[in-house]
Amino acid sequence: SQQGEEDPQALSIQEGENATMNCSYKTSINNLQWYRQNSGRGLVHLILIRSNEREKHSGRLRVTLDTSKKSSSLLITASRAADTASYFCATDARNDYKLSFGAGTTVTVRA
Amino acid sequence: SAVISQKPSRDICQRGTSLTIQCQVDSQVTMMFWYRQQPGQSLTLIATANQGSEATYESGFVIDKFPISRPNLTFSTLTVSNMSPEDSSIYLCSVGIPSGNTIYFGEGSWLTVV
Repeated sequence: SQQGEEDPQALSIQEGENATMNCSYKTSINNLQWYRQNSGRGLVHLILIRSNEREKHSGRLRVTLDTSKKSSSLLITASRAADTASYFCATDARNDYKLSFGAGTTVTVRA
Repeated sequence: SAVISQKPSRDICQRGTSLTIQCQVDSQVTMMFWYRQQPGQSLTLIATANQGSEATYESGFVIDKFPISRPNLTFSTLTVSNMSPEDSSIYLCSVGIPSGNTIYFGEGSWLTVV
């Protein structure tokens, strides 16, 4: 079942701008993972953040995690047209590799 | 990391028929799962594919509708039985890699039932 919600549902930005999306979840977690999905294809793993971590970076991606608020954010800096996709957060509550997904944020980057 | 291949990538199926989706991983993995993504929706876990034993299904999913096989540590199949238009979805295979706790997904199998 879905663990939480993502905000906003959709985001449209100009190339070069930053994109920020948020994810909230309901139960305690072991880790949280962010994925990208292009046009109904498979999911590409972007970044994993563990429950004892507060921030992680990977290239143009920055993820934060606030376990007290049960929320996470994904920031994409200097966006490109190729970043146009749907982005999903997913939580692993029991360290059993079973993921509960958020509803996703659809990002459109305009050239 | 893991490279996951799924077949078919797309198919159009007749109502009442069954279709088997294959998932092949390039390395041995213990944890393998099947998800469904209905049109415009997020992903929902169908079941855990257990090697050498029956799959473990999540609430709302049953073996008669979604039989799963896992003959070895690199391969699994999911069958969608007696399909109806409501089964039109993307079905995705995923594997868990213990070193790093990362979970990888295949490219998905996009089924349309007409």
